[in-house]
Amino acid sequence: SAVISQKPSRDICQRGTSLTIQCQVDSQVTMMFWYRQQPGQSLTLIATANQGSEATYESGFVIDKFPISRPNLTFSTLTVSNMSPEDSSIYLCSVEADSYEQYFGPGTRLTVT
Amino acid sequence: QKEVEQNSGPLSVPEGAIASLNCTYSDRGSQSFFWYRQYSGKSPELIMFIYSNGDKEDGRFTAQLNKASQYVSLLIRDSQPSDSATYLCAVKGYSSASKIIFGSGTRLSIRP
Repeated sequence: SAVISQKPSRDICQRGTSLTIQCQVDSQVTMMFWYRQQPGQSLTLIATANQGSEATYESGFVIDKFPISRPNLTFSTLTVSNMSPEDSSIYLCSVEADSYEQYFGPGTRLTVT
Repeated sequence: QKEVEQNSGPLSVPEGAIASLNCTYSDRGSQSFFWYRQYSGKSPELIMFIYSNGDKEDGRFTAQLNKASQYVSLLIRDSQPSDSATYLCAVKGYSSASKIIFGSGTRLSIRP
């Protein structure tokens, strides 16, 4: 299984600001994903990030709000832009392994005030 | 719309008993099936995956798949209080480009 780290682990941000979340994997992977999880809710896929191509966003998520970078096979960032209290959530990155299983990072707990 | 359905629970099971978690899925072409465990405040942890009809055992965990009935289950034998968590069922379609669809999870509580 892959070892995934995320930074920051948590943050408290003011409305209107932006936060960039970093995701680092200990091995090269093709597929990386960004999810959001509200308290007590299941996972909501934000976008799929493949190295060398533009991220693919799910319905309800747009690049202007959640720009993603994928500069190499071990790293990705997700930016939450122009934040509002509704963006308060846990943000998770995950990677897909050879047998299509996904492994998750520890998550970033974001609170917007 | 492809769906994965789970009973939200909570499912309460006495310590030492068998906990049975169930999941149904709508996409008949699904090929890969996963169970994740998520403790409160933590990220999901993969505990089992299964691709073929039948049972797959790993320690106290058994995953069961019935593609004809579009049904996958997770059995936890000799349940322990540390098994108390939310269990997420996840299903992936036939194509390598298909996304994993997660269920909403079942909360399991093991009572001493």
